[in-house]
Amino acid sequence: GQSLEQPSEVTAVEGAIVQINCTYQTSGFYGLSWYQQHDGGAPTFLSYNALDGLEETGRFSSFLSRSDSYGYLLLQELQMKDSASYFCAVRKWSSGSARQLTFGSGTQLTVLP
Amino acid sequence: DSGVTQTPKHLITATGQRVTLRCSPRSGDLSVYWYQQSLDQGLQFLIQYYNGEERAKGNILERFSAQQFPDLHSELNLSSLELGDSALYFCASSVVEGGETQYFGPGTRLLVL
Repeated sequence: GQSLEQPSEVTAVEGAIVQINCTYQTSGFYGLSWYQQHDGGAPTFLSYNALDGLEETGRFSSFLSRSDSYGYLLLQELQMKDSASYFCAVRKWSSGSARQLTFGSGTQLTVLP
Repeated sequence: DSGVTQTPKHLITATGQRVTLRCSPRSGDLSVYWYQQSLDQGLQFLIQYYNGEERAKGNILERFSAQQFPDLHSELNLSSLELGDSALYFCASSVVEGGETQYFGPGTRLLVL
């Protein structure tokens, strides 16, 4: 089977740095994605890692270690608008194509003033 | 605005009924994905189409079916509805099959009474 684990809640203050971890167990692993979802809204793509290492996109960075089946999303200079749910998602091979995304249960980030 | 449209935004119906949710992908995207998100849950992958063909199936119930039409819009049909089917249903699209970035529509909120 497969599983993804991420913390259910994280709280931090404005201007701080927060790291959301994600560990996964799956066959046919292809890559790890991160999505942000504000309450009741559409998930939006943040980042994707297929290779080990750090990917930086503005205030957000994502890291992957394939050997440890582990990744994290790093959010810097937190702003109130960053309060949202963050989902890690494993992209895996399925029937000859890396077409399926399996999402974790999400981490609710609350940014305090 | 991701460019993915979904109708209707809200749907209230009774147990045992059948409903159809509609999705139009972003212009140029050939791949469509359907997800179900129950209250405080992650996104459960249901099914994926590419250029009219079904390409991957997730945790989709037999009471649910979908199709993608020649103009690339997609419909998700839910029948013999149960209370537990109440959820947000998202459609996403990507340019290629298994694209690392999926663009999500605003979702259809289904309430089964």
